[in-house]
Amino acid sequence: GQQVMQIPQYQHVQEGEDFTTYCNSSTTLSNIQWYKQRPGGHPVFLIQLVKSGEVKKQKRLTFQFGEAKKNSSLHITATQTTDVGTYFCAGQEGAGNNRKLIWGLGTSLAVNP
Amino acid sequence: GAGVSQSPRYKVAKRGQDVALRCDPISGHVSLFWYQQALGQGPEFLTYFQNEAQLDKSGLPSDRFFAERPEGSVSTLKIQRTQQEDSAVYLCASSLAPGSNYGYTFGSGTRLTVV
Repeated sequence: GQQVMQIPQYQHVQEGEDFTTYCNSSTTLSNIQWYKQRPGGHPVFLIQLVKSGEVKKQKRLTFQFGEAKKNSSLHITATQTTDVGTYFCAGQEGAGNNRKLIWGLGTSLAVNP
Repeated sequence: GAGVSQSPRYKVAKRGQDVALRCDPISGHVSLFWYQQALGQGPEFLTYFQNEAQLDKSGLPSDRFFAERPEGSVSTLKIQRTQQEDSAVYLCASSLAPGSNYGYTFGSGTRLTVV
């Protein structure tokens, strides 16, 4: 079945350093979503990427969707302590009424002040 | 309300007890999902509703798990004869429609502990 692998599992950075998490799917995705989950919290939607090669930015966050629509990345420039949390990618299966998400295991980001 | 509301926030059940978890999605949201999240893991899909129709229940781990959304709004996830391995956070998420560009809005979850 479809799988979504996410690396690294953990990342520990000094405040101000950059951070990147990568997501790879075993099959072509119709779209991919990114979520952030703070410790003790619930996933919060960040963005959805749909088009091949798409790049979207949200302030210090840059999201990319690969040309083959099988991989994606999230890059944070100049991390801050407020960036702490687990970042999940979630790939969506193809067209149709069932738009089930297949989730990666997440990358936990720790930021030293 | 403005968000997805889940109740109770915490539930401690004795092994063998039945539990019912409630989800109030955002008003007008067509799609509703239930996920199970174990500690340190990503959410695992349980079941999906489009309005009142349960279109996918392939993630339900056993026939002890049952979900319903009879009027296409509030949903209930019921677990019968709870086991220790059922201990997890149960998350409910809703979205405006299939393929919505706004992603899923999650509730705060119900943390179930089976003792």
